[in-house]
Amino acid sequence: NAGVTQTPKFQVLKTGQSMTLQCAQDMNHEYMSWYRQDPGMGLRLIHYSVGAGITDQGEVPNGYNVSRSTTEDFPLRLLSAAPSQTSVYFCASSYDPGNEQYFGPGTRLTVT
Amino acid sequence: KNEVEQSPQNLTAQEGEFITINCSYSVGISALHWLQQHPGGGIVSLFMLSSGKKKHGRLIATINIQEKHSSLHITASHPRDSAVYICAVSLYFFSGSARQLTFGSGTQLTVLP
Repeated sequence: NAGVTQTPKFQVLKTGQSMTLQCAQDMNHEYMSWYRQDPGMGLRLIHYSVGAGITDQGEVPNGYNVSRSTTEDFPLRLLSAAPSQTSVYFCASSYDPGNEQYFGPGTRLTVT
Repeated sequence: KNEVEQSPQNLTAQEGEFITINCSYSVGISALHWLQQHPGGGIVSLFMLSSGKKKHGRLIATINIQEKHSSLHITASHPRDSAVYICAVSLYFFSGSARQLTFGSGTQLTVLP
């Protein structure tokens, strides 16, 4: 099993550009989530999904969109990148939030 | 108010020392997680517990539900234990199902040889 995979590992965007961060898991987990990690702050939930076709907002959803068309994939879209979105992004999956979490390797995004 | 508080924020120890990292939370939880993040950035789940104590090698995690407090202990610490240790809790919805995780800000541990 590959576990949770994320692409790309690094990305530099100019302000106003859009892009999609990819996340996939092969463990048949229903619950998937996207977090951002900023210096001095804990991981903050952006969006999450409890199954295919079901998504909801987390703590910091503004500027991001998600969709869940399959159990395996949970892409995160930045609609119009801003410098405040410079961060490290992690995707995670699990059977539910009360169970062991599996994290992807992260994507380091810089918006100039 | 942050729902999950970790202490200390930074900890430096000598190789071989016994290490304790603390986590306090303010509401009822369905589970508490301890995670490890190495300098390369990857995050790994160490423990998930809702009561009592769990042990894995030199790592021990305990939780006191009444006091809303958990500790992560590392015995005979080694430089390879240097990492950020993160506490996270999953809270209950009123329906009884688990809600998404809330994270502490992490403890940076450095173990010197």
